[in-house]
Amino acid sequence: EAGVVQSPRYKIIEKKQPVAFWCNPISGHNTLYWYLQNLGQGPELLIRYENEEAVDDSQLPKDRFSAERLKGVDSTLKIQPAELGDSAVYLCASSFGYGNEQFFGPGTRLTVL
Amino acid sequence: GESVGLHLPTLSVQEGDNSIINCAYSNSASDYFIWYKQESGKGPQFIIDIRSNMDKRQGQRVTVLLNKTVKHLSLQIAATQPGDSAVYFCAENTGTASKLTFGTGTRLQVTL
Repeated sequence: EAGVVQSPRYKIIEKKQPVAFWCNPISGHNTLYWYLQNLGQGPELLIRYENEEAVDDSQLPKDRFSAERLKGVDSTLKIQPAELGDSAVYLCASSFGYGNEQFFGPGTRLTVL
Repeated sequence: GESVGLHLPTLSVQEGDNSIINCAYSNSASDYFIWYKQESGKGPQFIIDIRSNMDKRQGQRVTVLLNKTVKHLSLQIAATQPGDSAVYFCAENTGTASKLTFGTGTRLQVTL
């Protein structure tokens, strides 16, 4: 069974440019999470989806970050405009419902110059 | 150059020895704890979990101990192997909204 798929794996952009990350969760997993992981630190939740509904986006910086999961499967996380401090790894995870084990993708490493 | 964040606590053990990785958690209301292993360039991988109504749980070569009195969690790895080299994170869940809060990682280095 395929795991959580993320693309791109690496992205380098200049500040003020937009960037988007894509996530395909494990088939059948209705819960999807986006995390941010700074170098040497643990992941921090940005947003959680139950199917197509964002049920916890309290940590998402809404002035520049947005996310969508239109059909309750794939999800896209966008940053516009990117800032130097956004350089980090963006992880996607999915689970089969609330409270169950989360499976993480490999992440997208973003570098903002 | 490197940032401060790269200087994770590091545990260096010889192959075959036992490893103990410690974690202090913050929320006394947390009812579920998980240990994750993260290898370079990969996402965190579930190792073992424990609920707050338990003190100890064993898996294959791994044991998690929970001390709720002092809010302390530990991961014991028996007969540590080179493939165990990674960063290990503990995570706590307060039981609402399946929201995990990750602790500071510990880098495990296994020497031959």
